[in-house]
Amino acid sequence: DTAVSQTPKYLVTQMGNDKSIKCEQNLGHDTMYWYKQDSKKFLKIMFSYNNKELIINETVPNRFSPKSPDKAHLNLHINSLELGDSAVYFCASSQGSTGSGNTIYFGEGSWLTVV
Amino acid sequence: GEDVEQSLFLSVREGDSSVINCTYTDSSSTYLYWYKQEPGAGLQLLTYIFSNMDMKQDQRLTVLLNKKDKHLSLRIADTQTGDSAIYFCAERFTGGGNKLTFGTGTQLKVEL
Repeated sequence: DTAVSQTPKYLVTQMGNDKSIKCEQNLGHDTMYWYKQDSKKFLKIMFSYNNKELIINETVPNRFSPKSPDKAHLNLHINSLELGDSAVYFCASSQGSTGSGNTIYFGEGSWLTVV
Repeated sequence: GEDVEQSLFLSVREGDSSVINCTYTDSSSTYLYWYKQEPGAGLQLLTYIFSNMDMKQDQRLTVLLNKKDKHLSLRIADTQTGDSAIYFCAERFTGGGNKLTFGTGTQLKVEL
C-alpha cells in the first residue's frame, strides 16, 4: 500500500489550461502539504493543511488553490497554467503540525509540463 | 534566514565512504532530516536527528550534527552504486507549522 499517493504522475498540458493534482494519504495523518521542485531540483513548500485548515501559504500565486475535502486528501488546482508552472509537485503528510517527532512522508511526485 | 546550503556534486568509488555536508543558518531548528531522491522518483526519508543530539547511526548511515557551527553531515559507509541519487538535507523549525526548508541537494555519483 502506498502511504502518500498522487495522481497523475505525469501531466502535459497547454498554457492557459486549468488542471488538478490529487493527493491521498492512508497513514491517518492530520497534516498535509504541497511542495514544488523546480528544474534546478530546489524544493520549496507551497501549502500546509492541518485538519482541513490552511496553516501555511508561502506566497504562492492565487492561481494555485489547494482544497482539502477531508484530512486524508489534499488536492491542488491550478488555473491559467503558465510555462513557469512546469515542475514536480510533491504531496506530503505528517501527524501534527507542531511538536516533536513529526516525520514528513512524501508522495512520488507529479511531473507537470506546460507547453 | 532560512538558507540551507549543500555542495552540488560528490563523486566516490564503490566501497568507499561518502560524506555529504550541509550548513544551515537558523539556530531555532528542531529536527534535521536527510532525504534521498533517485532519478524520476519521490523523496525517501533516510534518517533524521533531533537538534540536541550530536550523532545518530543507522546501519550504513551516520549523521553528525555540530550545532555551534550549524553543520550537518551524512556519512554513507561502503557506498554502493544504488546509493547514486540526490541527497537533500532539511530543517524544521519550532512553530513553523512543521515546514521543512530544504537544502539545494547534493548529487552523489558512485563509480565502479
